[in-house]
Amino acid sequence: AQSVTQLGSHVSVSEGALVLLRCNYSSSVPPYLFWYVQYPNQGLQLLLKYTSAATLVKGINGFEAEFKKSETSFHLTKPSAHMSDAAEYFCAVSTGFQKLVFGTGTRLLVSP
Amino acid sequence: DAGVIQSPRHEVTEMGQEVTLRCKPISGHNSLFWYRQTMMRGLELLIYFNNNVPIDDSGMPEDRFSAKMPNASFSTLKIQPSEPRDSAVYFCASSGQGANTGELFFGEGSRLTVL
Repeated sequence: AQSVTQLGSHVSVSEGALVLLRCNYSSSVPPYLFWYVQYPNQGLQLLLKYTSAATLVKGINGFEAEFKKSETSFHLTKPSAHMSDAAEYFCAVSTGFQKLVFGTGTRLLVSP
Repeated sequence: DAGVIQSPRHEVTEMGQEVTLRCKPISGHNSLFWYRQTMMRGLELLIYFNNNVPIDDSGMPEDRFSAKMPNASFSTLKIQPSEPRDSAVYFCASSGQGANTGELFFGEGSRLTVL
């Protein structure tokens, strides 16, 4: 079975600082990997996805993630945090037929 | 274009009552998913449909839960009878053609509170 593990339920950064949200996956076959973001009282929306093309994937709002097979990781980064980035972020892996398995989420807190 | 539309946005009911949650997927999407989100268990896939046919309902917690998709533009999730432990946010999501695109479009959710 495929799964993802997100390290850290909460991450706090200052505005302008680097954002790093960690995700490790487990998969017996080449995975499709995703990051979704959830703002308060809203549904999830796709930030970016890896589907076996380029290993460095760029998404919306300045986020990017790098697929590292040797480390089974797909960490999400952003060079400079904005207050508007405060949200919950979910890593997910596809088990086929668009059926996603989500991680437990990481809440990003951004302080002025 | 309209996104995934869910109703009601909020529902407060008493234990034992029937609850029906509704979802209208994005027009043209052929896959529909029902998820449940709680603090304790995170996001759980309950059931998903492809071309209106239920493909996998292994995530449905028990017989009190049922889901239908009578046509391409409408789905319901019903809980009967409801229990306090069913309190959660229920999300509907839809997806278009393309194997393993993984891009789900979520509604804003239905927050259910069972007293």
